[in-house]
Amino acid sequence: AQKITQTQPGMFVQEKEAVTLDCTYDTSDPSYGLFWYKQPSSGEMIFLIYQGSYDQQNATEGRYSLNFQKARKSANLVISASQLGDSAMYFCAMRELGTGNQFYFGTGTSLTVIP
Amino acid sequence: DADVTQTPRNRITKTGKRIMLECSQTKGHDRMYWYRQDPGLGLQLIYYSFDVKDINKGEISDGYSVSRQAQAKFSLSLESAIPNQTALYFCATSDNRAGKDEQFFGPGTRLTVL
Repeated sequence: AQKITQTQPGMFVQEKEAVTLDCTYDTSDPSYGLFWYKQPSSGEMIFLIYQGSYDQQNATEGRYSLNFQKARKSANLVISASQLGDSAMYFCAMRELGTGNQFYFGTGTSLTVIP
Repeated sequence: DADVTQTPRNRITKTGKRIMLECSQTKGHDRMYWYRQDPGLGLQLIYYSFDVKDINKGEISDGYSVSRQAQAKFSLSLESAIPNQTALYFCATSDNRAGKDEQFFGPGTRLTVL
């Protein structure tokens, strides 16, 4: 089974609007961390936001917030007030703390911000 | 200066050749990783190392080997390159002291095997 599932291969959003990128995960480890990374066309991987499995509140970092629904095993990324520079690939990732500390990445969502 | 550097940035080679990709970091992190990225497949973990004496296989280690020469250096080798190893390769580091273990990525090495 896939550890990380991103079901939206491509998304479009109007500039200044909010957009939600979906991510679901599969783990039986009670201790894990969830991450979102941005990969612009230049290729580098940029860390955006982190959520720990025991964190009580949803993580926020500027215009990024993580909608963490533990029972549903979802960790959706919300980008508010989209900017043209947000156009990129977005990857959801998970680290299982109890089972080898490996990282697992989803297949990514391509976001295009329309002016 | 970049905290995580990879050399070379681009490489074209022929089937059967031995290739080494190098990664250096100045972040002082103990943990280092090698990933490959194929179009539509996200990143897949090849090998990882939590300290100089620790090497672990990831999801797709076949056809690859690694060497952790020092805390700051982690190299990936393809002993006999084949065309389906054509991909973008990323090195990453992380520091678990803060509990988050966020990964910091190098700029990537684009490898083409003809």
